[in-house]
Amino acid sequence: GAGVSQSPSNKVTEKGKDVELRCDPISGHTALYWYRQSLGQGLEFLIYFQGNSAPDKSGLPSDRFSAERTGGSVSTLTIQRTQQEDSAVYLCASSLEWGDNQPQHFGDGTRLSIL
Amino acid sequence: GESVGLHLPTLSVQEGDNSIINCAYSNSASDYFIWYKQESGKGPQFIIDIRSNMDKRQGQRVTVLLNKTVKHLSLQIAATQPGDSAVYFCAENSGGATNKLIFGTGTLLAVQP
Repeated sequence: GAGVSQSPSNKVTEKGKDVELRCDPISGHTALYWYRQSLGQGLEFLIYFQGNSAPDKSGLPSDRFSAERTGGSVSTLTIQRTQQEDSAVYLCASSLEWGDNQPQHFGDGTRLSIL
Repeated sequence: GESVGLHLPTLSVQEGDNSIINCAYSNSASDYFIWYKQESGKGPQFIIDIRSNMDKRQGQRVTVLLNKTVKHLSLQIAATQPGDSAVYFCAENSGGATNKLIFGTGTLLAVQP
């Protein structure tokens, strides 16, 4: 069975450009999470989806960040007018369903570098 | 505030020895914990989890211990192998409406042949 798939694996772009990151969760997983990992750091929560709705967007750093999920499956994270501090690895995770005690399974992330 | 921290940023062990990685958490209401292994260039890989109604859980070569009294979590790896070299994170499930994970900064496990 396929795991969480993220694309692109690497993205280099110039400051001020918009970027779109994609996450394809494990088939049948209804909960989807985005996290950000800066160099040598732990993971920072960004946003959570249950189905197509996002009950918790509290981790998004600014209004330049947005995410959507359609069809209860694929999700895209968009960063507008990128800044150098946006450079990080963006990780997506999914779990079978919402609720406590559901392990989250991660993709390998998108390494974003802003020049 | 919420935080999950690790006592040892780097742990170096000899191949074949047992490894113990420690973690402290601050939210006494947390009821679910997960250990992840992250290799270079990869996403975190689920190792083992434990619920707060347990104090010990065993997997293949790994054991997680939970001490709710002192809010401490540990991961024990038996007969450590070179392939175990990675960064290990403990994560605390915040529960509530999100179940977002709160991660510590990680411990680097270096296995010496």
